[in-house]
Amino acid sequence: QSALTQPASVSGSPGQSITISCTGISSDVGTYNYVSWYQQHPGKVPKLMIYDVNNRPSGVSDRFSGSMSGNTASLTISGLQAEDEADYYCSSYTARSTRGVFGGGTKLSVL
Amino acid sequence: QVQLVESGGGVVQPGRSLTLSCAASGFTFSNYGMHWVRQAPGKGLEWVAVIWYDGSVKYYADSVKGRFTISRDNSRNTLYLQMNSLRVDDTAVFYCTRGTRPMGPFDYWGQGTLVTVSS
Repeated sequence: QSALTQPASVSGSPGQSITISCTGISSDVGTYNYVSWYQQHPGKVPKLMIYDVNNRPSGVSDRFSGSMSGNTASLTISGLQAEDEADYYCSSYTARSTRGVFGGGTKLSVL
Repeated sequence: QVQLVESGGGVVQPGRSLTLSCAASGFTFSNYGMHWVRQAPGKGLEWVAVIWYDGSVKYYADSVKGRFTISRDNSRNTLYLQMNSLRVDDTAVFYCTRGTRPMGPFDYWGQGTLVTVSS
């Protein structure tokens, strides 16, 4: 499975919106791409924030949303808060995947 | 509530073996595919291996294929990772995770167990 590319870092001010991209989503024709996003605070366990491109698990704030266009998935965080400062990872697979894959991760700084 | 508790990490010399365990509770373990994901110090997440709910299918990252073996005991609600021929670059925190479908997403994670490969 191809690698997923994320920006190394993004930043924003409280209240603003930011978007993190994830490029390299497999484009197998006729197969659905399952994209998920994970948040990891320093020294903590990763947490699932978005699955199946744009679905939020129970308990995740609706300030987090996902989308996809072509071979690029995106995570948008609106109304940025200090607690959103963390590393974010995308992951993707198709129905025919035999390997899991993560993006390299993006460090979000809330200025 | 869903709990995944890893154990078995520690310091090991290059070339040696180590087996990690992950005790699952709070859900029907035999209904879910399970994964190992690792994170080297200061680095990103790396998917390591998956095992289907019934143990019938296993896939591995190229970096561990032929050296690591994933297995499970559904009667004991436990996931394992047998690691042979360990290398210095295998040093990482190893997480046990549950996949809502065979290849993900990973909805629950254990707290991780640190494996340090050093002479």
